[in-house]
Amino acid sequence: DTEVTQTPKHLVMGMTNKKSLKCEQHMGHRAMYWYKQKAKKPPELMFVYSYEKLSINESVPSRFSPECPNSSLLNLHLHALQPEDSALYLCASSQGAQEEYGYTFGSGTRLTVV
Amino acid sequence: LAKTTQPISMDSYEGQEVNITCSHNNIATNDYITWYQQFPSQGPRFIIQGYKTKVTNEVASLFIPADRKSSTLSLPRVSLSDTAVYYCPSSGGSYIPTFGRGTSLIVHP
Repeated sequence: DTEVTQTPKHLVMGMTNKKSLKCEQHMGHRAMYWYKQKAKKPPELMFVYSYEKLSINESVPSRFSPECPNSSLLNLHLHALQPEDSALYLCASSQGAQEEYGYTFGSGTRLTVV
Repeated sequence: LAKTTQPISMDSYEGQEVNITCSHNNIATNDYITWYQQFPSQGPRFIIQGYKTKVTNEVASLFIPADRKSSTLSLPRVSLSDTAVYYCPSSGGSYIPTFGRGTSLIVHP
């Protein structure tokens, strides 16, 4: 298995809803990442998990809450989002938090906040 | 924060070779140079990676000069399916790539 699987592929949520995005990989990678990508913009790093511990939080608002239950799973819990949070949310993984390994990205979750 | 510079867009025709250059003015000693391809509504896909000189795989070649201040991604004989955005993210020694604007390549029939 050489893929990063993200679910759901599409999500529409209201500003008072609570929802979660899920990311899964079975490549034995020990670093996992969340990126946010707005239309026609590059991906922006949100969080980095290395060996299941949060190592980087790029000043992301608390309405986004990451969780890494085990080395294969990464969740992003969403609560009280704003319409401007609508974007493509990408999960990625790498063998370690070292650039020379290269990243494997999932296909993303297209989130729309109404 | 180290950033890379690349052309915003390029046009080519089927069957031609395309070379996309990236400027890595603030590259750190321990940085690798990695290129990704992204189609609309999909995640970036790893294409090729190198540290110096030339690297070739089944889809592309990567040329890195001795000073490592730039890199050139070479796509041989492009097809319509190579229309995508190409990124050469930087990390500035932090190991975490920062994506710049990327190069939007359009391949025409």
